[in-house]
Amino acid sequence: EDKVVQSPLSLVVHEGDTVTLNCSYEVTNFRSLLWYKQEKKAPTFLFMLTSSGIEKKSGRLSSILDKKELFSILNITATQTGDSAIYLCAVDFSGGSNYKLTFGKGTLLTVNP
Amino acid sequence: GAVVSQHPSWVICKSGTSVKIECRSLDFQATTMFWYRQFPKQSLMLMATSNEGSKATYEQGVEKDKFLINHASLTLSTLTVTSAHPEDSSFYICSARDPRDSNQPQHFGDGTRLSIL
Repeated sequence: EDKVVQSPLSLVVHEGDTVTLNCSYEVTNFRSLLWYKQEKKAPTFLFMLTSSGIEKKSGRLSSILDKKELFSILNITATQTGDSAIYLCAVDFSGGSNYKLTFGKGTLLTVNP
Repeated sequence: GAVVSQHPSWVICKSGTSVKIECRSLDFQATTMFWYRQFPKQSLMLMATSNEGSKATYEQGVEKDKFLINHASLTLSTLTVTSAHPEDSSFYICSARDPRDSNQPQHFGDGTRLSIL
C-alpha cells in the first residue's frame, strides 16, 4: 500500500527557532514530492522536488529530497508566528492512468512569540 | 499562474439536502481534476479523479452514488453530495494541474466547508 508518513505530528517552538519537518514515503511509480502549507483554507504550494540532493529554497524555507532513502525534509529557519500552520507532504505518483497525490497526515507547527 | 476556483466556500444546510460544489480552472483547460475531503485535524484524502468526458474514478471506500461527479467541460467539474447527512460534514477541496506543463504542481481551490445540520 502506498503511504506517506510525516513526523512529528505536532511541534511547538518559539520565534526565532529553526525547525525540521520530516516526510518519508513508500510509493510505486514515484513522480515528485511536494510540500504545502495549510492555514485555514486549502493548501498553498511551497516546493516540488523531483531529484535527489538538490536543495530548493524560498526565503527562510528550504527542502531537499533523498530518493534512495525515500524521504524529504522541510527546514524553516528563524521561525515567525506567521509560520504557524499545518505543513503537508504529498507524493505524486502514477496510479493507473492518472497521476495523483497521496498526502501525509501533516505536521502542525505552532510558533509562539 | 494557474488558478483553480471553487464555489461555494461555505454551505450550511439541513440533513437530506443535496449540495453541489463547483471547481473551475480559470486560465487553463483541465482534462483531469481531483476531489479531496478533509475532516478536522486530519489530512486530505483523495475521493475521486474527475475525467472530462468520461466517468470519474473513485477511491476505495467512496460511494459513487453518494458523491456524484460531473466533468462536463474542460474547465468545470462538479461534486454533488446527494442526500447529505451530518457525517458528510467536512472540508471539500478540488485541485487540477495545467496539462501544458507536467512540471507544475497541482493547484488547489480554496475549498468548501460543508456543514449538515
